[in-house]
Amino acid sequence: EADIYQTPRYLVIGTGKKITLECSQTMGHDKMYWYQQDPGMELHLIHYSYGVNSTEKGDLSSESTVSRIRTEHFPLTLESARPSHTSQYLCASSEWGNSPLHFGNGTRLTVT
Amino acid sequence: DAKTTQPPSMDCAEGRAANLPCNHSTISGNEYVYWYRQIHSQGPQYIIHGLKNNETNEMASLIITEDRKSSTLILPHATLRDTAVYYCIVRVVGGNKLVFGAGTILRVKS
Repeated sequence: EADIYQTPRYLVIGTGKKITLECSQTMGHDKMYWYQQDPGMELHLIHYSYGVNSTEKGDLSSESTVSRIRTEHFPLTLESARPSHTSQYLCASSEWGNSPLHFGNGTRLTVT
Repeated sequence: DAKTTQPPSMDCAEGRAANLPCNHSTISGNEYVYWYRQIHSQGPQYIIHGLKNNETNEMASLIITEDRKSSTLILPHATLRDTAVYYCIVRVVGGNKLVFGAGTILRVKS
C-alpha cells in the first residue's frame, strides 16, 4: 500500500477564504503531482514537481499555487476560494523512470 | 504522450474474466502502457504496466499486441469489488505526466 496522505479528506469553505490542501508522502519520491477531478469526469494535471524547489504548471490552468520545500511535502494553496474551485483534488508521487504513480485518496473541496 | 481509446462501459458476470480493451495506435517505441483503476471517491490505484511483453501480477494480466497498437487488461476472476473506472494510459519512459482519458466503467454483476 502506497504511503501518501492527503488532508483534509473533505472541506467545505466560504467564498474568499484562503485554503491549503496538504499532501505528504513517506516513500522518498522526487516526483509529485496534483490532479483535479470533477465528479464523473477525467483527471486533469494542474501542477507537478521534479524535486525540492522545482514546480511546474500542468495541462489545466489553475488559480492554485504549490510549493516544494521538502521532498515529502507538496501543499496546494488557493488564495481566495471561489465556487468554481469546487472539485476533488488528488495528489500523487512517483520515482524516476517508468515507475507508476501512487495516489492519495484526495480532498473533496466545496466552496459555498 | 500518445492518446488512448477505450469503450465507455462494460459489464461482466461475477467470477468470469473481465477483458478490457484499449487502443493506442499512435504509441511510440519508448512509451509504456499503464493501467489504473478508480473506485468511487478514491484516488486511482495502479494495476499493471508493460512495454511490449505480456505482463502478469497478482491483480491482473496485460496483453499487448505485437504491433503495440492495442492492449487488453484481463481480470481473471472478477468480483463485485472490481467495479470501477479503468484507465489505460501510455507514457514515455521518464515522462513527467500521465494523461488520463475518460476510461471504461466496468460493472461486475452477480
